[in-house]
Amino acid sequence: KAGVTQTPRYLIKTRGQQVTLSCSPISGHRSVSWYQQTPGQGLQFLFEYFSETQRNKGNFPGRFSGRQFSNSRSEMNVSTLELGDSALYLCASSLVQGPSTDTQYFGPGTRLTVL
Amino acid sequence: AQSVTQLDSQVPVFEEAPVELRCNYSSSVSVYLFWYVQYPNQGLQLLLKYLSGSTLVKGINGFEAEFNKSQTSFHLRKPSVHISDTAEYFCAVHTDKLIFGTGTRLQVFP
Repeated sequence: KAGVTQTPRYLIKTRGQQVTLSCSPISGHRSVSWYQQTPGQGLQFLFEYFSETQRNKGNFPGRFSGRQFSNSRSEMNVSTLELGDSALYLCASSLVQGPSTDTQYFGPGTRLTVL
Repeated sequence: AQSVTQLDSQVPVFEEAPVELRCNYSSSVSVYLFWYVQYPNQGLQLLLKYLSGSTLVKGINGFEAEFNKSQTSFHLRKPSVHISDTAEYFCAVHTDKLIFGTGTRLQVFP
């Protein structure tokens, strides 16, 4: 069974631009979560989607948004990019909502660099 | 608010030696606890998790962890490490979302 895939793997943008990252969960998984990983702030939860609905959200500004499609694929969008948005963005999928009830499987991440 | 503290940012150890990676959490409610490993240029992989029941949890790759409610700790242990265990290890707590510690870099030397 294929794992979680994220595209693109690497991305370079300039300040003020916007970016869309994509995550394809493991087949059959309905929950997708997004995390931001930076050297300064570590791993931080962005949001979780289940059955096309945002179920939980972390403490990020409104420039960060996401959505989930009927096939469970998810996208996250960051508008008006800032230098501090440079990070590794990780996506994780699970069968059901929440890691306490089911194992989350992580993708390899998208490395975003903002210049 | 929940938080996770990983007391050691780096742990150097020789191959075949035992290792303990420390994790303390704070929470006013029941929590679920996790350890993840991240190899270079890869995503996170679940090592083990504590949801309830036995306080000693066994995971993959020979790792185990013990949940200690009175000390609010969830330390990760391995009796004999290998070079291939060199990676970043993250402790996490889940109530309504996953909150990660800052990570511990385990460096195994030959």
